[in-house]
Amino acid sequence: SQKIEQNSEALNIQEGKTATLTCNYTNYSPAYLQWYRQDPGRGPVFLLLIRENEKEKRKERLKVTFDTTLKQSLFHITASQPADSATYLCALVGYNFNKFYFGSGTKLNVKP
Amino acid sequence: NAGVTQTPKFQVLKTGQSMTLQCAQDMNHNSMYWYRQDPGMGLRLIYYSASEGTTDKGEVPNGYNVSRLNKREFSLRLESAAPSQTSVYFCASSEADGHPHYYGYTFGSGTRLTVV
Repeated sequence: SQKIEQNSEALNIQEGKTATLTCNYTNYSPAYLQWYRQDPGRGPVFLLLIRENEKEKRKERLKVTFDTTLKQSLFHITASQPADSATYLCALVGYNFNKFYFGSGTKLNVKP
Repeated sequence: NAGVTQTPKFQVLKTGQSMTLQCAQDMNHNSMYWYRQDPGMGLRLIYYSASEGTTDKGEVPNGYNVSRLNKREFSLRLESAAPSQTSVYFCASSEADGHPHYYGYTFGSGTRLTVV
């Protein structure tokens, strides 16, 4: 069965630095990969989508890479701010589009 | 504010009790979903409705039933609650074409359910 791994340990960084979160997967070939942000007590919020044939996608301070050979996606937040502190989830999307598999998320703490 | 509204926000049930979780969206989305989120396990799909009048099982449907009441509303029912159903439940919807893979989901704020 498919497996999605996100670092369960929190990532602690200093304000202004670049945060890099990792999403690794096995036994699956997704058509798309999505990233979501989740704040405590709230539902996830969609951030970015990247297709299997795209190497990199950017949106403001966010950058996502997708390496289908390594079966890995990296999620970068540049010039991080305390307001970026949250849990970030990745989701793999299959070719039939009704198959979504979410990772358990990585908590990011940005310290002022 | 436009979005997905879930009720109730918190609920405690005794084993064997039944309840219905309500969800409504005002974005004119065709597709609606119910997920559960457990620590360390990620979000898992319980049921989904690709369009009004249709429902399908997801990854973990056992112990649940759903009703797509109309285009706006999608409810989740627990007929006989069990402690294993203690979780946070999220309702979500997606763009009118039913392509959450492209546009992403819009999630509600969740229902925190405890079964004792």
